[in-house]
Amino acid sequence: KNEVEQSPQNLTAQEGEFITINCSYSVGISALHWLQQHPGGGIVSLFMLSSGKKKHGRLIATINIQEKHSSLHITASHPRDSAVYICAVETSIRGSGGGADGLTFGKGTHLIIQP
Amino acid sequence: AAGVIQSPRHLIKEKRETATLKCYPIPRHDTVYWYQQGPGQDPQFLISFYEKMQSDKGSIPDRFSAQQFSDYHSELNMSSLELGDSALYFCASSSYWFPNYGYTFGSGTRLTVV
Repeated sequence: KNEVEQSPQNLTAQEGEFITINCSYSVGISALHWLQQHPGGGIVSLFMLSSGKKKHGRLIATINIQEKHSSLHITASHPRDSAVYICAVETSIRGSGGGADGLTFGKGTHLIIQP
Repeated sequence: AAGVIQSPRHLIKEKRETATLKCYPIPRHDTVYWYQQGPGQDPQFLISFYEKMQSDKGSIPDRFSAQQFSDYHSELNMSSLELGDSALYFCASSSYWFPNYGYTFGSGTRLTVV
């Protein structure tokens, strides 16, 4: 069983719709990342969360540490938001003597926003 | 602003050849991570370095080796290439002293083994 589960795996919506992508994890984490990957392309870091909520433009990310759950919301979605959105978790605490063991990735949510 | 630079962007190699991928972290980042993403797969952690020392090791084959140099750039050396090594290899960097700044990812090197 993957330690990081995302839902839905695929999502097609109309331009302007409010989008929610969910991420659940089963391990203790020091931080959770939401990443965006365009086809054939590199990865862009959207958010890093350890608690609460962050907002950047039309993107909002929330995390509930007790429930081991995070959501990524996109308001007023646009075709250029079409991409794979990946949830990834850190299990070590950087900067505190912990190892840099990288991220554990979810399998991603393929989002298509149709005009 | 400077980003994580990877070179080359694309690489085609034949089976059993060797390949070297390079990653230049953003300034003042001291930690580099390497990931492998096969077609349609989620990224898998390969190896990481902090201050030129190997920090952690993931699912990196013995045919691969990596190191971090004094200027903090890192190289991933891949020998005896196999068809299954075809993937997108990307690196990320971060700062051990400023973990709240998160990760910055490179655009990746797409390796095709023929």
